[in-house]
Amino acid sequence: ETGVTQTPRHLVMGMTNKKSLKCEQHLGHNAMYWYKQSAKKPLELMFVYSLEERVENNSVPSRFSPECPNSSHLFLHLHTLQPEDSALYLCASSPLTSVDTDTQYFGPGTRLTVL
Amino acid sequence: SQQGEEDPQALSIQEGENATMNCSYKTSINNLQWYRQNSGRGLVHLILIRSNEREKHSGRLRVTLDTSKKSSSLLITASRAADTASYFCATDTGYGQNFVFGPGTRLSVLP
Repeated sequence: ETGVTQTPRHLVMGMTNKKSLKCEQHLGHNAMYWYKQSAKKPLELMFVYSLEERVENNSVPSRFSPECPNSSHLFLHLHTLQPEDSALYLCASSPLTSVDTDTQYFGPGTRLTVL
Repeated sequence: SQQGEEDPQALSIQEGENATMNCSYKTSINNLQWYRQNSGRGLVHLILIRSNEREKHSGRLRVTLDTSKKSSSLLITASRAADTASYFCATDTGYGQNFVFGPGTRLSVLP
């Protein structure tokens, strides 16, 4: 779709499971983002990586652990989640070539259900 | 409350009509962007307007920005059923890393 892929597209897990979400961008961008989108709530920015370094962590619970091994890949490791963590998790990337016109390219999202 | 807030929350129109959505924000911005999201999918960037610009066009889209009122509007002309989606404004206050999205406007275009 947009050069940003996410796997899996759907995930059902129990509260004691450990799983990981994967995001890959094929656009040569320098920044990657994780967002959470819950029903009837605005998108919440969770983590930002710029040139593989984490630059933003918006008070996200420690049961969410991001990893950015290189500029093309981003992971979100999940453990001991709660049912309220059920949401659509969106990955995005941006080029960071201009501070005035940086735009984000989103993946299709992973629909997570925590039982 | 969030930086960007869209108004109305939901809009239903007939095909061929124009759709106008508004966005208000609270602090100074570098730029304001509009995104579209089809149900349960990723967001797609539509248009960006810089803080020193007042109006921008892209195809059937027209965006205005009034920094004195801290507001923006998105106009979709001659709407089509395929325009049915949620539309979000996002404000950028920093170096492209301080995106704040509003709650969105759900647009339904009826054939």
